[in-house]
Amino acid sequence: RKEVEQDPGPFNVPEGATVAFNCTYSNSASQSFFWYRQDCRKEPKLLMSVYSSGNEDGRFTAQLNRASQYISLLIRDSKLSDSATYLCVVRGGGGSQGNLIFGKGTKLSVKP
Amino acid sequence: EAGVAQSPRYKIIEKRQSVAFWCNPISGHATLYWYQQILGQGPKLLIQFQNNGVVDDSQLPKDRFSAERLKGVDSTLKIQPAKLEDSAVYLCASSLGGLETQYFGPGTRLLVL
Repeated sequence: RKEVEQDPGPFNVPEGATVAFNCTYSNSASQSFFWYRQDCRKEPKLLMSVYSSGNEDGRFTAQLNRASQYISLLIRDSKLSDSATYLCVVRGGGGSQGNLIFGKGTKLSVKP
Repeated sequence: EAGVAQSPRYKIIEKRQSVAFWCNPISGHATLYWYQQILGQGPKLLIQFQNNGVVDDSQLPKDRFSAERLKGVDSTLKIQPAKLEDSAVYLCASSLGGLETQYFGPGTRLLVL
């Protein structure tokens, strides 16, 4: 089982749609969780951290279920500018507690 | 504030040649990382430095890859000799400390022919 698994995508949605990405992680000792965004041919950038209580940043909502080892990202009212690859990232639980482990990413394409 | 700088941005070499990448982290960031991102994959950590010391190089193919951060600031990553499967984007990232937010540079896109 891969350490971090994500929906394969790609997701093609119209503007204004709501889209949800799912992610599972294998190491129950993992400590921190994030969603990164990566535009085509650009570097990854932190989108938001994910907390057990769930957290929201504008149109973006992240959820964490530690019991199921499951992370989600919900994007409401999709914009053209949301088109990117979304990377699920997990920290800790391995030999080096600070290491980030990235999923393969899910590509989102928002169409007019 | 200046971000993480990397050079070159692109490099094309033939297999068995050598190549080196350079990274200058954000000023004041003690922790520096090198990642390899193969097309269609997420970044994979190669090596992590804390100041000028190696914290984790467990995933660095040490028979051909080497990295150093001699003065605890900028860093170089070298591949010698390169293989076709080394074609990837090499990303450098830095953070204030090992558990702080990592900021990525633009990457060096390597193509091995």
